[in-house]
Parts: sequence; C-alpha cells; structure tokens
Amino acid sequence: KQEVTQIPAALSVPEGENLVLNCSFTDSAIYNLQWFRQDPGKGLTSLLLIQSSQREQTSGRLNASLDKSSGRSTLYIAASQPGDSATYLCAVMDSSYKLIFGSGTRLLVRP
Amino acid sequence: GAVVSQHPSRVICKSGTSVKIECRSLDFQATTMFWYRQFPKQSLMLMATSNEGSKATYEQGVEKDKFLINHASLTLSTLTVTSAHPEDSSFYICSARGPGQGNSGNTIYFGEGSWLTVV
Repeated sequence: KQEVTQIPAALSVPEGENLVLNCSFTDSAIYNLQWFRQDPGKGLTSLLLIQSSQREQTSGRLNASLDKSSGRSTLYIAASQPGDSATYLCAVMDSSYKLIFGSGTRLLVRP
Repeated sequence: GAVVSQHPSRVICKSGTSVKIECRSLDFQATTMFWYRQFPKQSLMLMATSNEGSKATYEQGVEKDKFLINHASLTLSTLTVTSAHPEDSSFYICSARGPGQGNSGNTIYFGEGSWLTVV
C-alpha cells in the first residue's frame, strides 16, 4: 500500500529565506507526483505536477524535483514571502488514477 | 483549462438529516471522479472513486450506505451524506480525472471543496 510522508510537519522561517520541503513515497510505481498549496479553510491549488518520466518542474520561485527510484520529491521555494504561508501537500497518483496525499507541511513565513 | 465546480461551498444541517454535495466538470467529460474528506489539520483521505454509469468503489472503512455516491452523467457526481451526525462534519472535496489519454488523462482537477457542519 502506497504511503506518502512529508517532512517537516511544520516550518517557520523569516522572509527571504530559501527553503526545501520533502516528500517521500513507498511505492515507486507512480504516474505522477503533484504539489498542492492549501490555505486555511480553502480548497487545493495545484502548484507543480511532475510526470513519472520527468525529473523536475519549475514555476516562478518554485522548483519541484522527483527521484522516482528512491521515492523522493522536494519542493524548493526561493526567496520566501509571507504570502507563501500555507500548508503544502504532496500527492502521488497510482495506477488507478487515485491521489494519495501526504500529511502536509505547514509553512509560516514571518515578515 | 479544465474546471471542476463543487456546490454548496458551505452547508449546515441538523443531525439526522441528509445533505447532497454536487461535483461538476464544467468543460470536459469526466468518466472518473474522486471524493475526499479532510478533517481539521489533517490531510485528504480518499473516500471513493466514482465511475460514470457504475457503482462507486469505496475505500476501506468508508460506509457506502452512509456516503451515497451517484455518477449519473459524464459531468456530474454527487455525494449524499445520509443521516448526518456531528462527527460527519468535515471538509469534502471532489476531483475529476482530466480528459484525453496519456499525460492529459492523468491530470486531476479539484473542486473548491464543501464544508459540512452537522449541528
């Protein structure tokens, strides 16, 4: 059974810092891996999607990498801003198109 | 891009009543939709997979008689919480598998979510 783990569970950094969020999964047979952002009381915003054949994706200050063989992904946020404060969720898609989510990393960027 | 609409965004119901949440794919046909539940400060847990024209497939531990899922058309899936109790209060969110094959077919689009409060 696929399990997705995110470390750290919570992170507090001063504005301007570069930071890395980690995601690991136990079964490397995935279709893709996706990073989402969730603001309190809100739905999900898709940030980056990495297909299983890809190694990384970039969007603005965000960069996500995927190492399928080792079951790991990282989300790199450059020059963090208070507006980046949110919960970041990692999810992998299995062969049934189901998304299995990690427990998330709660990020607080202090002004 | 593909859009998934979920309604209502917030609903309050009395204990013992039933409430229906709709999930619509607005500009594409979704043969497969998924329903998730999220408790406060926890991650999303898959409840069931909804396939158009057939019975939903429920995840282990999810009561199919309590959480009725109907996927009557290619653009609409509904989740009905029957005989709701306060412990059913949660954030429910649906998603739809994107159209096409290959990478397009494995892109998932999420609705905005529905907050259910049972009093």
